[in-house]
Amino acid sequence: KQEVTQIPAALSVPEGENLVLNCSFTDSAIYNLQWFRQDPGKGLTSLLLIQSSQREQTSGRLNASLDKSSGRSTLYIAASQPGDSATYLCATHSGYSTLTFGKGTMLLVSP
Amino acid sequence: DADVTQTPRNRITKTGKRIMLECSQTKGHDRMYWYRQDPGLGLRLIYYSFDVKDINKGEISDGYSVSRQAQAKFSLSLESAIPNQTALYFCATSDERRVDTQYFGPGTRLTVL
Repeated sequence: KQEVTQIPAALSVPEGENLVLNCSFTDSAIYNLQWFRQDPGKGLTSLLLIQSSQREQTSGRLNASLDKSSGRSTLYIAASQPGDSATYLCATHSGYSTLTFGKGTMLLVSP
Repeated sequence: DADVTQTPRNRITKTGKRIMLECSQTKGHDRMYWYRQDPGLGLRLIYYSFDVKDINKGEISDGYSVSRQAQAKFSLSLESAIPNQTALYFCATSDERRVDTQYFGPGTRLTVL
């Protein structure tokens, strides 16, 4: 059974800092890995999706990397802003159309 | 209008009551999912459906049932609610041609007293 772990559980940084969120998974036989953002009272928004054959994906200030052999992914946020404050969830896709989620990292970026 | 809608958005009920949570989508997707999220935990899959005639149990289906009334509608029922079913419930959809991307509704916050 796939298990997804996210570290840290919570992170507080001042505006402008670069930061890294970590995700690890136990079964490397994944189809892809996704990073989601969750805002309070709202659903999940997909940020980045990395296929199993890829090493990284970038979108604006976000960069996600994937090392499938070691079971690790990182989400790098450059020049953080207060609007980045949210919970970030990592999820693996096994190819059976279902996702396995980590518990999330709650990020607070203070002005 | 939102592509994936959930009703109600908030519900407080009592132990033993029957509750139905509804999900509708306008994305034309064939695949729909129900997840629950507990404080400090990730999302866990309850049930999923690949089309109107296909229903599958997820990781935590005990105490729940579902109905796929149409391609666009997927309902989750708690036949006899209990307090540990207090959680945030999310519906999601995906297209069989792009199974790697799921689109989530805004969630239903359910409290069972």
